[in-house]
Amino acid sequence: SQKIEQNSEALNIQEGKTATLTCNYTNYSPAYLQWYRQDPGRGPVFLLLIRENEKEKRKERLKVTFDTTLKQSLFHITASQPADSATYLCAPSRDQAGTALIFGKGTTLSVSS
Amino acid sequence: EAGVAQSPRYKIIEKRQSVAFWCNPISGHATLYWYQQILGQGPKLLIQFQNNGVVDDSQLPKDRFSAERLKGVDSTLKIQPAKLEDSAVYLCASSSYRGTSGNEQFFGPGTRLTVL
Repeated sequence: SQKIEQNSEALNIQEGKTATLTCNYTNYSPAYLQWYRQDPGRGPVFLLLIRENEKEKRKERLKVTFDTTLKQSLFHITASQPADSATYLCAPSRDQAGTALIFGKGTTLSVSS
Repeated sequence: EAGVAQSPRYKIIEKRQSVAFWCNPISGHATLYWYQQILGQGPKLLIQFQNNGVVDDSQLPKDRFSAERLKGVDSTLKIQPAKLEDSAVYLCASSSYRGTSGNEQFFGPGTRLTVL
């Protein structure tokens, strides 16, 4: 069955450093991969989508890579701030036409000042 | 634009009781999803609607869960009877297929259900 693994449940870093979160998937060949942010007591919020033919995608301080050979996506937050503290979820999907997402468990990032 | 609305935000019930959750998606979004999120886990799809038709309900425990989306807009998810393991946050999301933009999903705040 499809399996999605996100690295360590918790990641603690100092303000200003780069946070790197990992998403690995098995028994799956997604055409897209999305990253969401979830704050306590709130629903997930979409951050970035990357397609299988894109190696890298950037948005402000965020960068996502997608390696279909390694079956892995990396999510980077540069110059991290305490406000970046949240749980980050990855969600591969096979197509863009309204397919429901399969989420990983998420990685909780804590940025200390 | 207004976001996805859900109610109630919190619900506490005894096991074997019934409960219903309501969702109003973003205007114009044809696709609506109900996800269950157990503490420490990612959201898991329960059911997906396209307009008022069911696209995927393979993970919906149909002996106790039911959902409907009348007129292709609002949706209701019901649990009857509830079990202790149903304690979770129930998230509603909607999306609109926009060609090459991918299916970004917009989530509501969720309903936190506690079954005692």
